[in-house]
Amino acid sequence: QSALTQPASVSGSPGQSITISCTGTSSDVGSYNLVSWYQQHPGKAPELMIYDVSKRPSGVSNRFSGSKSGNTASLTISGLQAEDEADYYCCSYAGSSTSVVFGGGTKLTVL
Amino acid sequence: VQLVQSGAEVKKPGESLRISCKVSEYSFTNYWITWVRQMPGKGLEWMGRLDPSDSYTNYSPSFQGHVTISADKSISTAYLQWSSLRASDTAMYYCARHGDDYHFDYWGQGTLVTVSS
Repeated sequence: QSALTQPASVSGSPGQSITISCTGTSSDVGSYNLVSWYQQHPGKAPELMIYDVSKRPSGVSNRFSGSKSGNTASLTISGLQAEDEADYYCCSYAGSSTSVVFGGGTKLTVL
Repeated sequence: VQLVQSGAEVKKPGESLRISCKVSEYSFTNYWITWVRQMPGKGLEWMGRLDPSDSYTNYSPSFQGHVTISADKSISTAYLQWSSLRASDTAMYYCARHGDDYHFDYWGQGTLVTVSS
């Protein structure tokens, strides 16, 4: 199964907003509202930021939001802060045989 | 909720290995355990998952036949094992738990496996 497609890198200045896209197919992102997003700082384990396309776990800042249109999901981070600099991965359920597929990851740089 | 993984391993090609993921502060049988690979400088790859209540497993086609996921309910521990390691298995391996909606809400700290002759 192919990984979901994310841009390799995005950047923004403090206070700005950025959006990271995650493009899949009608077999994964397009068929299920089971898209999640993970933040990973260097040397650390991933952390759940968004699940079920747009839900935020308790404790995650409301500066993080998620959406989906067709086969593409998006993560938006508003009011960028230095601590947001990290790698971000999307993930989708892909049916009973494949189960789960991750995106290739996006490196966010806060300028 | 905690998922605590076993320590780093250094192995030679062809050797066997089993790494572990011990969970606490929740009922082990109420959530799936998934394993995720991250090769050096690369992204996350889903390897497979296990239902601790009945040890049902399913694997990514990319990993089917090369790794085995198992669990011991009596000690709330999941395992990832290889019977014959390759140099290309060098990576960080994470365990994570999830429910039926497939989002990974708690992760282990990772186990670094290095395979080198």
